[in-house]
Amino acid sequence: DAKTTQPPSMDCAEGRAANLPCNHSTISGNEYVYWYRQIHSQGPQYIIHGLKNNETNEMASLIITEDRKSSTLILPHATLRDTAVYYCIVRDLMDSSYKLIFGSGTRLLVRP
Amino acid sequence: DAGVIQSPRHEVTEMGQEVTLRCKPISGHDYLFWYRQTMMRGLELLIYFNNNVPIDDSGMPEDRFSAKMPNASFSTLKIQPSEPRDSAVYFCASSYSGETQYFGPGTRLLVL
Repeated sequence: DAKTTQPPSMDCAEGRAANLPCNHSTISGNEYVYWYRQIHSQGPQYIIHGLKNNETNEMASLIITEDRKSSTLILPHATLRDTAVYYCIVRDLMDSSYKLIFGSGTRLLVRP
Repeated sequence: DAGVIQSPRHEVTEMGQEVTLRCKPISGHDYLFWYRQTMMRGLELLIYFNNNVPIDDSGMPEDRFSAKMPNASFSTLKIQPSEPRDSAVYFCASSYSGETQYFGPGTRLLVL
């Protein structure tokens, strides 16, 4: 079972920031927070990951709360091409199973 | 880098036929994963390899499914005989040292 909780759907206006929340209240000290997205008919695409510090790359920013029980993925200037299902996954990199357990994700619709 | 390459992109076959899906991982990656995605069950890990050796095949649904990795740049997932319930999108992913997984575009399989 997925160890994260995400809202099933969200929408935002093109050009505005999209803030996607994720709850992972049972996260353990060795577990990272990963974000992937899946655009219709494509394979899942890696976005970003972090342990406890905030992270930023060319695609997005990841804000993790101090207690690490929740996080927010921020797409600073959403475009129509960002319409996708976004998955928040917690993963222990010391776990040799290497499984990525995808939950239901958040379906983000970016409106023109 | 070309990313993970999968072929064919679409496959339509009749029940009872053998189906072979192919994957070329990203050069230099030492882990390869096969996933299956359906509406009912979402994304599921079927099997993964490390340095061409199968490590965990607990997600393989039954003996009709088999996977091989004869070398570091090629893997196959075979279904024999195929059944309508095998209809799904099959994804291959690769990673370096089991960390961030990068997915291919998938093979959409329809078994009639």
